[in-house]
Amino acid sequence: AQSVTQPDIHITVSEGASLELRCNYSYGATPYLFWYVQSPGQGLQLLLKYFSGDTLVQGIKGFEAEFKRSQSSFNLRKPSVHWSDAAEYFCAVVKRYSGAGSYQLTFGKGTKLSVIP
Amino acid sequence: DGGITQSPKYLFRKEGQNVTLSCEQNLNHDAMYWYRQDPGQGLRLIYYSQIVNDFQKGDIAEGYSVSREKKESFPLTVTSAQKNPTAFYLCAGGKGNTGELFFGEGSRLTVL
Repeated sequence: AQSVTQPDIHITVSEGASLELRCNYSYGATPYLFWYVQSPGQGLQLLLKYFSGDTLVQGIKGFEAEFKRSQSSFNLRKPSVHWSDAAEYFCAVVKRYSGAGSYQLTFGKGTKLSVIP
Repeated sequence: DGGITQSPKYLFRKEGQNVTLSCEQNLNHDAMYWYRQDPGQGLRLIYYSQIVNDFQKGDIAEGYSVSREKKESFPLTVTSAQKNPTAFYLCAGGKGNTGELFFGEGSRLTVL
């Protein structure tokens, strides 16, 4: 069964420092992968996605992620973190295609990012 | 403004009462989803619907019910059979062949 593991529950970085959030997936074929961000009490917003092609994917807010098939990973990175990046980040993989454009996603349990000014 | 609109944002209910959470969309999404979020648990799928008048159970459907009478609306009822209903509920829509989801801002249900 498809699964997603985010090994870090909580990460704290200083403003201006670089960031890497880890995501490992379990999937038989080429996965569709996503990173979402959630501010407290809000819904999720898509940061970036990988379907195929270039393994380095650029997203919004200066984030990028790299798909590494050999490591079953899709880690999220940002060169310089801003205080406004403090939020919870979720990695997700498409679990099942149910037809008529309906996909089920499996989400990781999330990594909470705190930023020290 | 287009998007997924959930209401109410906060809801308090007594144990044993059914409650209905509203989800409306104007993005012309075919597929709609309900997720439950608990601290440290990520998102778990409750129900999803691919087309009007059709819906399927997700991973944690027990104690919940949905309807899809029109494309724009996908309400979720949390019934008294749900043993632990206090949670944050997220509605999402999806379109096309990508799996990308668009989320509402969520509804926080507290059962007293």
